[in-house]
Amino acid sequence: SQTIHQWPATLVQPVGSPLSLECTVEGTSNPNLYWYRQAAGRGLQLLFYSVGIGQISSEVPQNLSASRPQDRQFILSSKKLLLSDSGFYLCALEAGGPTGELFFGEGSRLTVL
Amino acid sequence: GENVEQHPSTLSVQEGDSAVIKCTYSDSASNYFPWYKQELGKRPQLIIDIRSNVGEKKDQRIAVTLNKTAKHFSLHITETQPEDSAVYFCAATGNNRLAFGKGNQVVVIP
Repeated sequence: SQTIHQWPATLVQPVGSPLSLECTVEGTSNPNLYWYRQAAGRGLQLLFYSVGIGQISSEVPQNLSASRPQDRQFILSSKKLLLSDSGFYLCALEAGGPTGELFFGEGSRLTVL
Repeated sequence: GENVEQHPSTLSVQEGDSAVIKCTYSDSASNYFPWYKQELGKRPQLIIDIRSNVGEKKDQRIAVTLNKTAKHFSLHITETQPEDSAVYFCAATGNNRLAFGKGNQVVVIP
């Protein structure tokens, strides 16, 4: 069965510091992968999605970037965090090809101070 | 692109009563409509979904109905229990990706 791992689970970072959140999946090959952000009390905002190694599409212009160095690895990064980057970051795996069911990782809660 | 809206934003129900959440979507080509439940501090989890070739799907106390003509679909929870308290997100396909609504907070009052 498919599993999805995210780390770190929580982190507190100062404004201007870098960020790296990692997502890895198991039990599937060549999955579509997604990064979502959820601000407190808000909905799910799609940040990036990837259909394969090195293929990244950005939904929202911002100071975040994503990379997919391996088939089952998806990384979210920032060179300099802003206060507005605080939130709950969720990696998701799409099952069954395009527009299939999304499985979410357990999330990474980021607080920028 | 696809625009998904959910109503009401917050819903309080007495334990044992039914809850209904409605979503509308804009893209008539959408053909996949899932519902996700997110408990406080947890990840969203799929609870039920429906595809455009059926009008209703049921799984124990939850059901989803789809009206493609009117472009809306609804989540029905019967015999609500305290553990049903959560945020519920609907979604619909658009540009080959899921577009999510903003979520409904459901509170079940014991």
